Amino acid sequence: NAGVTQTPKFQVLKTGQSMTLQCAQDMNHEYMSWYRQDPGMGLRLIHYSVGAGITDQGEVPNGYNVSRSTTEDFPLRLLSAAPSQTSVYFCASSYRWRTYEQYFGPGTRLTVT
Amino acid sequence: GENVEQHPSTLSVQEGDSAVIKCTYSDSASNYFPWYKQELGKGPQLIIDIRSNVGEKKDQRIAVTLNKTAKHFSLHITETQPEDSAVYFCAASIVSNTGKLIFGQGTTLQVKP
Repeated sequence: NAGVTQTPKFQVLKTGQSMTLQCAQDMNHEYMSWYRQDPGMGLRLIHYSVGAGITDQGEVPNGYNVSRSTTEDFPLRLLSAAPSQTSVYFCASSYRWRTYEQYFGPGTRLTVT
Repeated sequence: GENVEQHPSTLSVQEGDSAVIKCTYSDSASNYFPWYKQELGKGPQLIIDIRSNVGEKKDQRIAVTLNKTAKHFSLHITETQPEDSAVYFCAASIVSNTGKLIFGQGTTLQVKP
């Protein structure tokens, strides 16, 4: 199994540009989530999904959209990037009945200028 | 909502010494407390966890203790080795279908050879 994969690894955007961060998992996990990691602030939950077609907001959802059309994929969309969205983004997944044991991807480092 | 405070933010120890990282949480309903290790350039990886019905759990050189009354939990690493150098995150959660993990701010552990 590849586990949780994320693309791209690095991305630089200009303010106002849009982009999609990709996340995929091959473990048949129902639960998937997106976190952002900022210095001194730990990891903060952006959005999560408990299954295909179901998404919900986390702690810091503003400026981000998600959708879950398949079990495997959970893309994160930035519609109009802002410098405050400069961060490292991690995707995670788990079985629905074991959401406390989450597997993280390698991360995407995003810089917005 | 839940808030998790983690201390210290940085910790430097000599190889072979012990390291202790402490976290406090605010929501008395939290009942699951995992610890993650993040190596440079990688996503966090679960290393040990504890449920609220257990006071202590040990796995080789790492152990976690939980004091529900005081709402704090700690990670203990004994006989530290250079490969223990990483960022460690504590988290708190209510075991349920939502799977929301609230993370502490992280501790950068440096083990000097």
